Formats: sequence, C-alpha cells, structure tokens
Amino acid sequence: GENVEQHPSTLSVQEGDSAVIKCTYSDSASNYFPWYKQELGKRPQLIIDIRSNVGEKKDQRIAVTLNKTAKHFSLHITETQPEDSAVYFCAASWDPGGGNKLTFGTGTQLKVEL
Amino acid sequence: NAGVMQNPRHLVRRRGQEARLRCSPMKGHSHVYWYRQLPEEGLKFMVYLQKENIIDESGMPKERFSAEFPKEGPSILRIQQVVRGDSAAYFCASSPGLAGRGYNEQFFGPGTRLTVL
Repeated sequence: GENVEQHPSTLSVQEGDSAVIKCTYSDSASNYFPWYKQELGKRPQLIIDIRSNVGEKKDQRIAVTLNKTAKHFSLHITETQPEDSAVYFCAASWDPGGGNKLTFGTGTQLKVEL
Repeated sequence: NAGVMQNPRHLVRRRGQEARLRCSPMKGHSHVYWYRQLPEEGLKFMVYLQKENIIDESGMPKERFSAEFPKEGPSILRIQQVVRGDSAAYFCASSPGLAGRGYNEQFFGPGTRLTVL
C-alpha cells in the first residue's frame, strides 16, 4: 500500500519568512495530492491540492510542487503570518475517477513567531 | 450549504460499552470516509463507503468495529465493547464521488472525540 513520509515534524519561522514542507510517497500510481491545515482541536481543512498531470499550483501565498519522477511533493508558504501557525498534513491517493482513500503524512507543526 | 456534520462532538464511554458515531455528508456528496486520529498523530484511514455499500474497509479493525451508510440517514461508525485504546478523534469526510472528475476533494467534519474510561 501507499506510504507517505513528511518532513520536518516541526518548523519555526519568523513572520514574513517562507516555510517549506516536504513529502515523499511510495506508490507511483498515486495521482492526487492534497494538503490540509489543522488547528488545535479543529477539523482538517483542505488548503490546496495538485494532480499528477500538473507540476505546480499556486493560490495566493500558498504553492505546491510535484515531482512525479522522484515521487516528491512540497508545500510552500510565503510571507508567513501568525495565523498560519497550525499542523499541516500532506496526503496521497490513487483516484480512479470517483474517489479513494487518502494516506496521510505524519504532520508538520508550523509555528510562526512575531 | 452546510458542511459535513458529525455528532456527538464528544462521547465518553466506559470500557465494554458501545459507541455510535454519526456523520452527515455535505449536500450532494455520496461518498463518506472515516479516519481516526490518535493524540498528536496523523490521520489513519478506516473505511470508505457509498450509499448502501462498503467500498474499502481495509483500515478498520476486523473485530468490534463496523460502519454503514444507509440509503436514508447518516453514516454510522459503531464500536462495540470499547477499550481504552479506542480513545481518539474520529473524523469523517465526504466527497462528491463524481466519476467524470479526475479527483474528488474530501471535506472533513468537526470530528467526534471519544474518551473511554
């Protein structure tokens, strides 16, 4: 089955700096890669996702890159703000065209310091 | 457009009792997934259901756990004879299940936090 590894487990940055979180996956058939943000005691919220036929996707301060050859994808947050502090999870899935389970990474605790 | 709803939000059970967790998907969504999150850990897939069908239950323990998504009403995750190790947050997610799309985003409910005494 799929296995997703995520690094780093904790990340501390100064407000305004960039943050990068990296994930690798094992199943070359995976074709869908979402990222979720989870604040303490809250639900995971989808913040951005990418499909395997796209190398990069951007939404305001957030971008995701995908390298299918290396089976590696990354989340980039620019101009970080205190409200970006949360746990971020990457996930991978093989979606045949109707949906499928997500395999999650172990999470990155991001702390944005003033 | 209401999001994914789960109830109860908090559930306390004594060892040996039964726990029933409910999930109502977003309007228009026909696929439901259940995930378990242990304290300070990631989300682990348990079961994937469509209306009246279990599509994938590979992440669900073979004993004491069951799930259903009836034609009418919410999806239910049932845990019989709970043990302390079942204490966790249980999240459900729903997706449109549209075969014509290349992917289907999953949106999560607020979770049920189960505590077993």
